[in-house]
Amino acid sequence: EDQVTQSPEALRLQEGESSSLNCSYTVSGLRGLFWYRQDPGKGPEFLFTLYSAGEEKEKERLKATLTKKESFLHITAPKPEDSATYLCAVPPGFQKLVFGTGTRLLVSP
Amino acid sequence: EPEVTQTPSHQVTQMGQEVILRCVPISNHLYFYWYRQILGQKVEFLVSFYNNEISEKSEIFDDQFSVERPDGSNFTLKIRSTKLEDSAMYFCASGLGQEETQYFGPGTRLLVL
Repeated sequence: EDQVTQSPEALRLQEGESSSLNCSYTVSGLRGLFWYRQDPGKGPEFLFTLYSAGEEKEKERLKATLTKKESFLHITAPKPEDSATYLCAVPPGFQKLVFGTGTRLLVSP
Repeated sequence: EPEVTQTPSHQVTQMGQEVILRCVPISNHLYFYWYRQILGQKVEFLVSFYNNEISEKSEIFDDQFSVERPDGSNFTLKIRSTKLEDSAMYFCASGLGQEETQYFGPGTRLLVL
């Protein structure tokens, strides 16, 4: 049973073309939702943690938001260096993270 | 900025051989984890480790796998008798607390022939 679903699977944007990535989750009693960035052949790089509905966090061109059932990662005026796979993860219990399959983002100049 | 490190970056082994993957977690972290990612698939949890013992493990983490913190800085994953399906990227992660952010290392790419 999928606890984390990310969409779209892949997204191609032109440089400067803003968009949003979606992460929906089914765990109850959310103890945090985590966004990571993963470059090919590398480990997940931490971006944001969100703990409660309505919370928002920003970092450069990225902004993450959280509702009771999903999270969005908004990318404003992306650059080619933002190209990566963006992963969403939740802890069903207290420790392990369950990851989604990710959204592969390609930003063309 | 402190980071998780892993060695080796790549390991090629023959089926049935033992491998040990090594990790140095961030120094003040208390929780340690191993995950794996088969090519093109999700990152999957293997095991968590706290206070010198396994605190949670997945179905993947069977008797062929073991973890150890042999000293104050290293955290290892041992696979006793590797199988072809063990080929994957293995990531070590560490965190301050059990609900805190987990920081991942760069990974070890394991190829079993």
